[in-house]
Amino acid sequence: DQQVKQNSPSLSVQEGRISILNCDYTNSMFDYFLWYKKYPAEGPTFLISISSIKDKNEDGRFTVFLNKSAKHLSLHIVPSQPGDSAVYFCAASARGETSGSRLTFGEGTQLTVNP
Amino acid sequence: NAGVTQTPKFQVLKTGQSMTLQCAQDMNHNSMYWYRQDPGMGLRLIYYSASEGTTDKGEVPNGYNVSRLNKREFSLRLESAAPSQTSVYFCASSPREGTEAFFGQGTRLTVV
Repeated sequence: DQQVKQNSPSLSVQEGRISILNCDYTNSMFDYFLWYKKYPAEGPTFLISISSIKDKNEDGRFTVFLNKSAKHLSLHIVPSQPGDSAVYFCAASARGETSGSRLTFGEGTQLTVNP
Repeated sequence: NAGVTQTPKFQVLKTGQSMTLQCAQDMNHNSMYWYRQDPGMGLRLIYYSASEGTTDKGEVPNGYNVSRLNKREFSLRLESAAPSQTSVYFCASSPREGTEAFFGQGTRLTVV
């Protein structure tokens, strides 16, 4: 079963506007959430993370929001820039588990920012 | 600072051939991982090594074997390649399980 889901395969926004990427999870043991960015022919690179004890984490233009009751997280990019065009993966882990804690990834969302 | 280095970057195999994908990290990380990326499937964990001397199966281990040679190196072996193993393979490492993982550039493997 897919424990981490990104229901939008693609998203297109105008430069300067807000991009909102969404992610849902089913495993209530997940307590750490991450977003990765991937350009073509490169490996994913870590972008931002959030622990389950918080509901928001901000880093420059990137903000991640966590709604534990809804098992939902989102990544906001403001303002969006053409260089943000990439595939974005959300990931989750259950760090509190004694064993078997590793990252589970969603399917990815292709973000295109149009000039 | 190289980070995570994978070799080779590209490979074409015939069905039934074997090969080993190599991975090395220079960040003194304890945990290492092998993922495959397929269209619409995201990144799926094949095998991982929580620490030197241990390996465990991930989501999709069938048809693969791994070796954690030392703290730096974690190799992935395909004993008898099948077309279903055509994919992009990523090696990653993290300081410990469940934390931010750092990825290599990937190996694009085609099995014909």
